[in-house]
Amino acid sequence: NAGVMQNPRHLVRRRGQEARLRCSPMKGHSHVYWYRQLPEEGLKFMVYLQKENIIDESGMPKERFSAEFPKEGPSILRIQQVVRGDSAAYFCASSPPSISYNEQFFGPGTRLTVL
Amino acid sequence: AQSVAQPEDQVNVAEGNPLTVKCTYSVSGNPYLFWYVQYPNRGLQFLLKYITGDNLVKGSYGFEAEFNKSQTSFHLKKPSALVSDSALYFCAVSSKAAGNKLTFGGGTRVLVKP
Repeated sequence: NAGVMQNPRHLVRRRGQEARLRCSPMKGHSHVYWYRQLPEEGLKFMVYLQKENIIDESGMPKERFSAEFPKEGPSILRIQQVVRGDSAAYFCASSPPSISYNEQFFGPGTRLTVL
Repeated sequence: AQSVAQPEDQVNVAEGNPLTVKCTYSVSGNPYLFWYVQYPNRGLQFLLKYITGDNLVKGSYGFEAEFNKSQTSFHLKKPSALVSDSALYFCAVSSKAAGNKLTFGGGTRVLVKP
């Protein structure tokens, strides 16, 4: 059973360009979460999605950031018109549907560098 | 709002000695508590969790943690540290009220010296 997959692992963009980060959850997992880690800091929650639904986007910046988890295919975190402050590691996590609380399994992350 | 504090930025310990990484939390209702470890340029690996039941939780790689409700703490421990335990450790909390959202502490860097 493959783990959570993220691609690309490293992404370089110039200011003003778009960044598109992809996440494929573990098999059987229908919950996806995105977190951002700034250098030397902990992870900060951004958004929680289930298939075709955004459940909680309280950690998403109001502008330029969007996320989706379509019925088919990976979850996408999209950052429009990137700025230097968007440089960070972006981690995706997934968990199975369950009535009891389950741990989240993390992908290797996408390291975004904005020049 | 929920929060997690890891009061030590770094913990240094000699190989073979006991290791403790501290974590305290604040949450509305019953907490769900987690420890993760991160190696350089890698994602987070799950170590252990407390949801309910016994206060002493045993996890991967010989780690354990004790849930203390009165002190709102969930310290991570290992009786005998290995050099390979050197990494960044994160404590995280969630709750029913928070949905499935994890709130992480700032992390504690552990350095185990031979």
